[in-house]
Amino acid sequence: EAGVAQSPRYKIIEKRQSVAFWCNPISGHATLYWYQQILGQGPKLLIQFQNNGVVDDSQLPKDRFSAERLKGVDSTLKIQPAKLEDSAVYLCASSHRDDQETQYFGPGTRLLVL
Amino acid sequence: DQQVKQNSPSLSVQEGRISILNCDYTNSMFDYFLWYKKYPAEGPTFLISISSIKDKNEDGRFTVFLNKSAKHLSLHIVPSQPGDSAVYFCAASAHGNKLVFGAGTILRVKS
Repeated sequence: EAGVAQSPRYKIIEKRQSVAFWCNPISGHATLYWYQQILGQGPKLLIQFQNNGVVDDSQLPKDRFSAERLKGVDSTLKIQPAKLEDSAVYLCASSHRDDQETQYFGPGTRLLVL
Repeated sequence: DQQVKQNSPSLSVQEGRISILNCDYTNSMFDYFLWYKKYPAEGPTFLISISSIKDKNEDGRFTVFLNKSAKHLSLHIVPSQPGDSAVYFCAASAHGNKLVFGAGTILRVKS
């Protein structure tokens, strides 16, 4: 069974530029999550989708971050414009409807904002 | 607010000995706890979990203990192997809601 796929793996941009990350969850997993992991901290949930609907986006900085999950499969997370403090690893995870607490993570995208 | 705390940033253990990783939480609503392991340049992988109705769960070399009155859980790895060297994250959730992660503990198993 293929795991969670993410791209790109690394991205370097300058502040005020925009960037987008892509995630393909495990086949059949209805729930998809985006996390931000700043160096030295644990992952922090940004947004949770159930199929293509948003379940929780309470910690998503909506003035600059947006995410969508069209057709309930792939998802994209966008930052526009980026700030220095957005430098982090962005992790995508997915889980099965019947076991949402066991989440499977992708390798992450490491973002550096200069 | 840090609802899940891993107070030891790192731990070093000799191969074959026991590794004990600790985690404290403050939210009494948490009813499900998980441990994830993370290697460099990879995403976290699920290791073991425990529901609040239990005080112990075992899976091979890995055992998680939960002390609800102390709001404390620990992960025991026996015997420790060099391949166990990784960052270990404790996570908790309340009634199926979002996972809240600790900051992680770096485990180094020396051969």
